[in-house]
Amino acid sequence: DTEVTQTPKHLVMGMTNKKSLKCEQHMGHRAMYWYKQKAKKPPELMFVYSYEKLSINESVPSRFSPECPNSSLLNLHLHALQPEDSALYLCASSQDLPLGDEQFFGPGTRLTVL
Amino acid sequence: AQRVTQPEKLLSVFKGAPVELKCNYSYSGSPELFWYVQYSRQRLQLLLRHISRESIKGFTADLNKGETSFHLKKPFAQEEDSAMYYCALSTPGGSYIPTFGRGTSLIVHP
Repeated sequence: DTEVTQTPKHLVMGMTNKKSLKCEQHMGHRAMYWYKQKAKKPPELMFVYSYEKLSINESVPSRFSPECPNSSLLNLHLHALQPEDSALYLCASSQDLPLGDEQFFGPGTRLTVL
Repeated sequence: AQRVTQPEKLLSVFKGAPVELKCNYSYSGSPELFWYVQYSRQRLQLLLRHISRESIKGFTADLNKGETSFHLKKPFAQEEDSAMYYCALSTPGGSYIPTFGRGTSLIVHP
């Protein structure tokens, strides 16, 4: 399996809701990433996990909470989001951080915050 | 700090014309450079990377350390090449986390 999968594909939530995005890969990759992408813009890095430990947090607001339960799974817990958080949320993985390998991206979750 | 510059937000060409998407970077050491492509309604995917030195879908890119550039070229553009193209830079100084350029939207007209 050489794909990164993400669920759900689409998510609509109110500002008081709590929801989670899920990401899964079975390529044995040890680095996993969350990105936020607005239309016609490059992906903006949010978090990086390396060997299931949070390695980088790009000053993301606490209403976004990542979790890496095991080496294949990555979650992003959402709570009290704002309408400006509406975007495509991309998960990616790569073999390992120090190698500077290519990243494999998931299809994304299209999030709309009402 | 490492930076990637893609000067053109939009590049519009006709089918069969040559295309060059520009990418300049700022980094004093030896970087890893990538081109990623995002077709309409498809996931972001790697097109090519400089260390592989291969041609993918007719595209090539050469790292020019003197000019700190990694331009993407194709001699004859096809309509199916229409997509968003991102140049990305990965360096030891940046913990090998890729830095993306702003992207260039390539439109190939029939």
